[in-house]
Amino acid sequence: NAGVTQTPKFRVLKTGQSMTLLCAQDMNHEYMYWYRQDPGMGLRLIHYSVGEGTTAKGEVPDGYNVSRLKKQNFLLGLESAAPSQTSVYFCASRNAGADTQYFGPGTRLTVL
Amino acid sequence: EDQVTQSPEALRLQEGESSSLNCSYTVSGLRGLFWYRQDPGKGPEFLFTLYSAGEEKEKERLKATLTKKESFLHITAPKPEDSATYLCAVQAEGYSTLTFGKGTMLLVSP
Repeated sequence: NAGVTQTPKFRVLKTGQSMTLLCAQDMNHEYMYWYRQDPGMGLRLIHYSVGEGTTAKGEVPDGYNVSRLKKQNFLLGLESAAPSQTSVYFCASRNAGADTQYFGPGTRLTVL
Repeated sequence: EDQVTQSPEALRLQEGESSSLNCSYTVSGLRGLFWYRQDPGKGPEFLFTLYSAGEEKEKERLKATLTKKESFLHITAPKPEDSATYLCAVQAEGYSTLTFGKGTMLLVSP
């Protein structure tokens, strides 16, 4: 099992550009999460999904959109990137019958 | 609002010098408290889940304990490979999300 994978690993954008981050898991987990991690701020939840076709807002959802069209994939979109969105983005997933979230390796995004 | 405060922010130990990391929390009703380890440039790696006050869990040189207000991660005779950032998180009863603390960066020198 690959666990949780994230694509791409690194990306540099210019202000105003758009992009999509892909999270994939092969553990048949129902729940999936997107976090951002900034120095001195810890991990903050952006959006999450409790099942295919469902999404919900987390602590810092503004400027992001998500979609969960397939159970194994959770996409995070930035429609018009801003320098404040420079961060490391982590995806996580967990089984509905368990509490532990398993994290991917992260995507480092820089917005110039 | 759930809150998690970790202390100290950073800790430097000599190899073999035991110590403890603290995680203080406020939550309406605790479903679980989680400890993760994060190495530089990598995603958090799950260590422990604690569910009720008085519970303890161990893994190699690490032992996690829980009270009604805080959790401790005790590190016994640490080695340089224990160097990492340790994250604490709580899940409130009835919720499916975690609230994380800012972490404690541990450096163990040979």
